[in-house]
Amino acid sequence: GAGVSQSPRYKVAKRGQDVALRCDPISGHVSLFWYQQALGQGPEFLTYFQNEAQLDKSGLPSDRFFAERPEGSVSTLKIQRTQQEDSAVYLCASSLAEGLGTASYEQYFGPGTRLTVT
Amino acid sequence: DQQVKQNSPSLSVQEGRISILNCDYTNSMFDYFLWYKKYPAEGPTFLISISSIKDKNEDGRFTVFLNKSAKHLSLHIVPSQPGDSAVYFCAASAGTYKYIFGTGTRLKVLA
Repeated sequence: GAGVSQSPRYKVAKRGQDVALRCDPISGHVSLFWYQQALGQGPEFLTYFQNEAQLDKSGLPSDRFFAERPEGSVSTLKIQRTQQEDSAVYLCASSLAEGLGTASYEQYFGPGTRLTVT
Repeated sequence: DQQVKQNSPSLSVQEGRISILNCDYTNSMFDYFLWYKKYPAEGPTFLISISSIKDKNEDGRFTVFLNKSAKHLSLHIVPSQPGDSAVYFCAASAGTYKYIFGTGTRLKVLA
């Protein structure tokens, strides 16, 4: 399909382990976003890429969270030394738009990766 | 500090009737609003949006109303269908890519 894909769909990690979550955006989409959705909450913005440049990482909750998009396509969200409070669904979204004034461009979401830290 | 609030966690409606989902916001800088629909184990999908220069936007069975003075928007679904059963998220933006989402309302349409 032509949608946003994410892998793995489910991940169980022991506290202290590192995890890497992958996002394949829609081909040709310039903008890529990561969100964190805790149980019973709406998605919360983590970070934004325009092509390979990470223009906004203001939502990353700690320096244990790191995201990259080295070739402007696939992105990886890495969480080091996972903690129980990191348990959530991590959503990736992509959009055709670029730049600040992109609110009116639809963000297409992937199915998410459900991370459970035990 | 919840800038976007959906105070009803759930709503049940009979098939064929109107579903009204509500959303309140506190930030007067928000100028673009969206509704997303989410089925279990899937990502949110875009439903309808409205710019702050309008007070109504319609797309088929879905209409979004915006009351800027009350900082309130609502989504009307008429007529409601069982396939509309999902979680609905309202989101707002202050002119940028950064969407602020509400906590969602679970709609159940009863056949």
